[in-house]
Amino acid sequence: QSVLTQPPSASGTPGQRVTISCSGSSSNIGSYTVNWYQQLPGTAPKLLIYNNNQRPSGVPDRFSGSKSGTSASLAISGLQSEDEADYYCATWDDSLNALFGGGTKLTVL
Amino acid sequence: QVTLRESGPALVKPTQTLTLTCTFSGFSLSTSKMCVSWIRQPPGKALEWLARIDWDDDRFYSTSLKTRLTISKDTSKNRVVLTMTNMDPVDTATYYCARTPTCGGLYYFDYWGRGTLVTVSS
Repeated sequence: QSVLTQPPSASGTPGQRVTISCSGSSSNIGSYTVNWYQQLPGTAPKLLIYNNNQRPSGVPDRFSGSKSGTSASLAISGLQSEDEADYYCATWDDSLNALFGGGTKLTVL
Repeated sequence: QVTLRESGPALVKPTQTLTLTCTFSGFSLSTSKMCVSWIRQPPGKALEWLARIDWDDDRFYSTSLKTRLTISKDTSKNRVVLTMTNMDPVDTATYYCARTPTCGGLYYFDYWGRGTLVTVSS
């Protein structure tokens, strides 16, 4: 059972805006920055958002992240079929253990 | 460009020790703030961080697995090695290594290997 809680699934139609939540506590999200990873089927995870809301080079601006208190969110606007993937939030704790959420499977209807 | 590649046995027997090697290029583990982690993912399940080694040889382990894990590096050969003792079928997973360029500051994994599937079965 993951320390960070994500909804197991989310869905949307092409062009829609979808948000995925990630809930933690004061000892993890409340104290440290949040990152998001996208894992396309059969591939390794890819960094999508770091430092709560920063996009690495090459990540479309359709993807955005935010954090408030002990929760974080990933928003995807202008949903596309290629966005169908698993999404993981991540942060760390005082022992410098990296923590991952349970993952959210995004389906594009 | 930065690449990482995991290698090791595809099949291990219960109680055996697993040794995995991460061979990387495009960066050096002697560079300040650089570190490499191991992360695993059982089939159909979530990611789980296992261990990390830093440029200055600091090492960090998953609280739940630390008695079974050892991480080490060979900076001259651009390799990081993870050993996990007393393997069990629940340890069946794809094992990834990943880089963090800012350890000691922001902590994220910007490059990942493709992963190697390890099955534990007699």
